[in-house]
Amino acid sequence: DQQVKQNSPSLSVQEGRISILNCDYTNSMFDYFLWYKKYPAEGPTFLISISSIKDKNEDGRFTVFLNKSAKHLSLHIVPSQPGDSAVYFCAALSGTYKYIFGTGTRLKVLA
Amino acid sequence: EPEVTQTPSHQVTQMGQEVILRCVPISNHLYFYWYRQILGQKVEFLVSFYNNEISEKSEIFDDQFSVERPDGSNFTLKIRSTKLEDSAMYFCASTGGRKFTDTQYFGPGTRLTVL
Repeated sequence: DQQVKQNSPSLSVQEGRISILNCDYTNSMFDYFLWYKKYPAEGPTFLISISSIKDKNEDGRFTVFLNKSAKHLSLHIVPSQPGDSAVYFCAALSGTYKYIFGTGTRLKVLA
Repeated sequence: EPEVTQTPSHQVTQMGQEVILRCVPISNHLYFYWYRQILGQKVEFLVSFYNNEISEKSEIFDDQFSVERPDGSNFTLKIRSTKLEDSAMYFCASTGGRKFTDTQYFGPGTRLTVL
C-alpha cells in the first residue's frame, strides 16, 4: 500500500541547473508534507515542509510546490550543487504521529 | 546544534537473540519515534511515543517489539527474538513542540544485522 510514491528512483542534473523531484500521494486526508535529504550512513535530514493551505513554500534554493487537486508535490532545487547529491524522500504526516515516506529519489549533481 | 544520537552504530546478532537499540533524543523534545529502513526500501514508521506511552504503532510493531524511556534521556527499542527480516537500519526521531506538524529530527541510525 504505497500512499506516497516517488516514481523516479534516480535523477542526474548538471551543476547550476534546476533539479525537480516529484512525489505523488493517494490519501486526500494528508495535509502536511515534508522533504528530507539523506546521505549514506546518516539519518534523514529535514529540508522543507508545506501545509495543504499553501501551494508553495520557499527556503533559499529549495522550493516545494503542492498541487492538491493532482495530489502531487515537487521539490525544486535551484541552482543545484554537487553537495546536493543525496537521496531525497518526500513524506506525508499521517494522522498526528507518523510520517509516511516515499521510496526516495537519488539525485546526482554533476560538476 | 542539538542532535539525536543513537548507539550502537552497527549491531550484529544471531537470530533469536534479543537486541536493544538506544537513542538519546534532543533534550527538550516530547515526542519520540522509531522508523526502520530495509536496504533499498523506504523508511517505514514503527512506533511513536509520548508521555510515557505508545501513541501509535504500525503493523510491523508486533509483540516482539517494545519501547521504553527508562530515564529522562534515553529512548530504547527492544526486539525480543530477532528474525532475519529484522535486518535493517533503525532510525530514532524526536520532535519538540506540541504541534504535530513540528519537524521530526532523525538520528544517524543503527544498522542491525541478524545472522
